[in-house]
Amino acid sequence: SQTIHQWPATLVQPVGSPLSLECTVEGTSNPNLYWYRQAAGRGLQLLFYSVGIGQISSEVPQNLSASRPQDRQFILSSKKLLLSDSGFYLCAWNPGGFHTEAFFGQGTRLTVV
Amino acid sequence: DAKTTQPNSMESNEEEPVHLPCNHSTISGTDYIHWYRQLPSQGPEYVIHGLTSNVNNRMASLAIAEDRKSSTLILHRATLRDAAVYYCILGLTGNQFYFGTGTSLTVIP
Repeated sequence: SQTIHQWPATLVQPVGSPLSLECTVEGTSNPNLYWYRQAAGRGLQLLFYSVGIGQISSEVPQNLSASRPQDRQFILSSKKLLLSDSGFYLCAWNPGGFHTEAFFGQGTRLTVV
Repeated sequence: DAKTTQPNSMESNEEEPVHLPCNHSTISGTDYIHWYRQLPSQGPEYVIHGLTSNVNNRMASLAIAEDRKSSTLILHRATLRDAAVYYCILGLTGNQFYFGTGTSLTVIP
């Protein structure tokens, strides 16, 4: 069966520090991968999605970047965190295509102080 | 991006049916209608999806209007565990999934 791993679960980082969040998927190949952010009390904002290794589409200009160095690995990064980067970050995957179900990780709660 | 409109909140009594509406008047012919729900501090959970015909699964039913400009998620008997934020989203061409603010469902014992 397929599983998605996202870590860490919680993270407290000072302003100006770098960030690296990792997401891996097991039990499938060539998944579509997504990074979402959810601010407190808000809906989910799509940040990046990827349909293959090295292929990244950015939805919102921001202080963040994403990379997909391997088929089932998706990394969210920042060189210098801002206070506004605080939020709940979610990784998701689906087998491909807008007609298929998406599966979400348990999320990372990031607090920038 | 195609948008969906949902009420901010709804209430239901336990063990009664719940009808959660969603408007998507700009839907295109190839957009699938998806529903997810999210408990606090957890990732969203898939509920159901469909294209044109009504759909049923063990969790819920999805009723899609004939013109596809609206849909309704039906929980046949609400339980306390169904209290969550429910998102209606469109699976768009290009593989994006855009979430709105959803409907916060409160289930009253």
